[in-house]
This record gives sequence, C-alpha cells and structure tokens, in this order.
Amino acid sequence: DGGITQSPKYLFRKEGQNVTLSCEQNLNHDAMYWYRQDPGQGLRLIYYSQIVNDFQKGDIAEGYSVSREKKESFPLTVTSAQKNPTAFYLCASSIRRTRYNEQFFGPGTRLTVL
Amino acid sequence: GQQLNQSPQSMFIQEGEDVSMNCTSSSIFNTWLWYKQEPGEGPVLLIALYKAGELTSNGRLTAQFGITRKDSFLNISASIPSDVGIYFCAGVPAGGTSYGKLTFGQGTILTVHP
Repeated sequence: DGGITQSPKYLFRKEGQNVTLSCEQNLNHDAMYWYRQDPGQGLRLIYYSQIVNDFQKGDIAEGYSVSREKKESFPLTVTSAQKNPTAFYLCASSIRRTRYNEQFFGPGTRLTVL
Repeated sequence: GQQLNQSPQSMFIQEGEDVSMNCTSSSIFNTWLWYKQEPGEGPVLLIALYKAGELTSNGRLTAQFGITRKDSFLNISASIPSDVGIYFCAGVPAGGTSYGKLTFGQGTILTVHP
C-alpha cells in the first residue's frame, strides 16, 4: 500500500542527546515536510524539501537538521540545541506542482526528552 | 508569518446535530484545505478548495472557499460519534514564494455526545 511511514511511534531520549526521526514515503512525491505539534496547538513547519539534495528552513528550524539524499526519505535530527524538544512530530509529502498543495501526513512520532 | 484564526476553539454537540466551523485570515489565500486529526494520529485530508466561491462536498462534509478569499467554512451534517477529533484548516497565501508551504489554524476540537 502507498503511504508515509514514520518510526518509531514513541521515542524517549535523555536530555543532551541527538535523536533522528525517520520518514519514508512510497507515493513518488517530490516534496516532503516536517512539522512539530504541541498540545492544543496547530502545526508548525520545521523544514521542507521540494527536490532531492535541497531543503529549506521553515518557521522553527533552530535546533533541528535534515537531509534529503533519496526521494523517498527525509529524516529529521533533533539536536541537543533544541531547547524544548518534547513534542509530536509529523512528516508529510506532496506532489510538486505549481498549483496543488495537498499534503499527506504520516502517523507521527511522539518524542519525549527526559 | 501568516496567521489563520479558526473558530470555535471547541464544540460539544449531540449526535445528529449539524456542525459549522470557519477559518479567517487578514490576507488573501489561494488554497484552503481542511484536515481531521484523531488522537495520536496524523491529520487526514478531508477537502481541498482552489477557487473563490468553490463549494465541495465529501460525504456529510461540505466546505466552501470564501468569496473574499480570506476565509473558508466547513460544515458537518448529522454528526456521529466517529466525527470526534480536531479539525484543522490550512491554506496557502497568495503571491510571494509560499509555494508548497501551508499555514495552519489552531484547530477546532469536536466532541459528539451519543
């Protein structure tokens, strides 16, 4: 089945450690996105990538890093520089067209930093 | 950045009632999307709107792209318990280099009592 997978569903890390969240899609979508969601809030864009080997910062990129070496993969690293990393992280993808902006989301990874 | 104001913030309704929620912006948008998110899951796309005045239905859901291009509305008819969740509006501002970047509202939490 086509879709977006994120792993793991739940992740626990100690403060000061870097952690990498996985996002894979088999929809043949060009663009991929990472969002952060905090309780009671909407989604905030961390990074996005429209093509392989290229990505741009979103609204809250500080303390995060990404890579896009393959079309189907867009991993997010939460570094120790991120002051408040505990959150629900969502990955999304979309076809890269000039008009259509329909983004499809994965199931999310809940990161808890202890 | 752009802000979307979504209202109401929460709704408590009886099964069978109709639901209305809206999303407004101070600037013009080219695209409006409506998503539903269930607890611990990623948002699911419900309806996409691309033209001012456009009215689109998806089962019991109907959404409209406001004529002023600064707002959008979502209606749910004859609500059922499985309608429970958080409903998000999202949009793409007109002009600029906002291609592919969605702005999200804060969400409307819907609770349906049997």
